[in-house]
Amino acid sequence: DQQVKQNSPSLSVQEGRISILNCDYTNSMFDYFLWYKKYPAEGPTFLISISSIKDKNEDGRFTVFLNKSAKHLSLHIVPSQPGDSAVYFCAATSGGSNYKLTFGKGTLLTVNP
Amino acid sequence: DTGVSQDPRHKITKRGQNVTFRCDPISEHNRLYWYRQTLGQGPEFLTYFQNEAQLEKSRLLSDRFSAERPKGSFSTLEIQRTEQGDSAMYLCASSLVGLNIQYFGAGTRLSVL
Repeated sequence: DQQVKQNSPSLSVQEGRISILNCDYTNSMFDYFLWYKKYPAEGPTFLISISSIKDKNEDGRFTVFLNKSAKHLSLHIVPSQPGDSAVYFCAATSGGSNYKLTFGKGTLLTVNP
Repeated sequence: DTGVSQDPRHKITKRGQNVTFRCDPISEHNRLYWYRQTLGQGPEFLTYFQNEAQLEKSRLLSDRFSAERPKGSFSTLEIQRTEQGDSAMYLCASSLVGLNIQYFGAGTRLSVL
């Protein structure tokens, strides 16, 4: 059973526009959510995170929104840049699970110049 | 700060051989995690150490797999009698107790022929 789902395998946007990546989860015990970015042949790089006590966290061009009642989070990137092209993974964790991360399958973002 | 280091980056082996990977976490990080990533999937949790104690193992970790973290510093992951299904990217991550963010190494890509 997939506890973290990223239903869009890929997304293509124009440079300067907004990129919105979505993630759904099923486990109510998750209380912390993270987004990682991955380039080919590299490990995942931490991007931004949010605690379940918040509904929004912003860091520069990146904003994560959390809707606990819908068990849904999204990552907004604005404005999108060609260097943002990568695979983005949504991950979730909880203190009760030794903080191990449960990942979605990822979304390949392509930002076209 | 050198980040999480993994060695080797690539390993090609024949079925039935044993392989060992090494991970050096960020120096002050006391938690260390191993994940496995296959094509089209997100990383999946394998095992977790806090200092030198191995506190959790996934059911994905068959008895052919063993991990150690002597003295709570670097960690090794050994796979005995490798099978073609073991071909994957093996990722190591580290974090500090009390913090949810894990920092990943570049991974070791294993190919079993």
